[in-house]
Amino acid sequence: NAGVTQTPKFQVLKTGQSMTLQCAQDMNHEYMSWYRQDPGMGLRLIHYSVGAGITDQGEVPNGYNVSRSTTEDFPLRLLSAAPSQTSVYFCASSRGGDTGNTIYFGEGSWLTVV
Amino acid sequence: DQQVKQNSPSLSVQEGRISILNCDYTNSMFDYFLWYKKYPAEGPTFLISISSIKDKNEDGRFTVFLNKSAKHLSLHIVPSQPGDSAVYFCAASPRGYSSASKIIFGSGTRLSIRP
Repeated sequence: NAGVTQTPKFQVLKTGQSMTLQCAQDMNHEYMSWYRQDPGMGLRLIHYSVGAGITDQGEVPNGYNVSRSTTEDFPLRLLSAAPSQTSVYFCASSRGGDTGNTIYFGEGSWLTVV
Repeated sequence: DQQVKQNSPSLSVQEGRISILNCDYTNSMFDYFLWYKKYPAEGPTFLISISSIKDKNEDGRFTVFLNKSAKHLSLHIVPSQPGDSAVYFCAASPRGYSSASKIIFGSGTRLSIRP
């Protein structure tokens, strides 16, 4: 009963390095999203996808890229990490369609950029 | 400018009493409201939701109230239990297709239930 799986759980990066946070869901959900959680800021939407091949920007997209080549996977890429990207990242998925669909979160990925 | 605001970063309630968590929103296009609960080192989990066509939704010990004219919602937990100690996020989404991918969250309220 995996649900939404994120890897890695913890990562330390040096400024300027690149990395990819992986996200996979096994619920055949149409929608997937990436959020970051910072103290006092709650959860802020980075990028989202309403289906394979379709992605769009959220509230805080700068510095991040995404792609959705399959229904199951939605990786988040940091091309050149900055200390401001130190955060906890959550991937989420939902069934899709009209208003009212619950979103399901992964357990989070803790990223530190030094 | 935050569209969903939780002005109380923390709340402490005695076990057995009622916990009331508040949330305000600014966007009149929001059509659906949700509460999520988060324990440390875990992802947020869905707790309860309410559509804008209703003013109350109840699920066991949890009740959400919506006041559209005031753009305010609240979560009532009664009676409060030790396992309710967590961070609670209020969230809102606009009307229409793909709205589930555009949910906006508040900054969270840390609820502590004391014995």
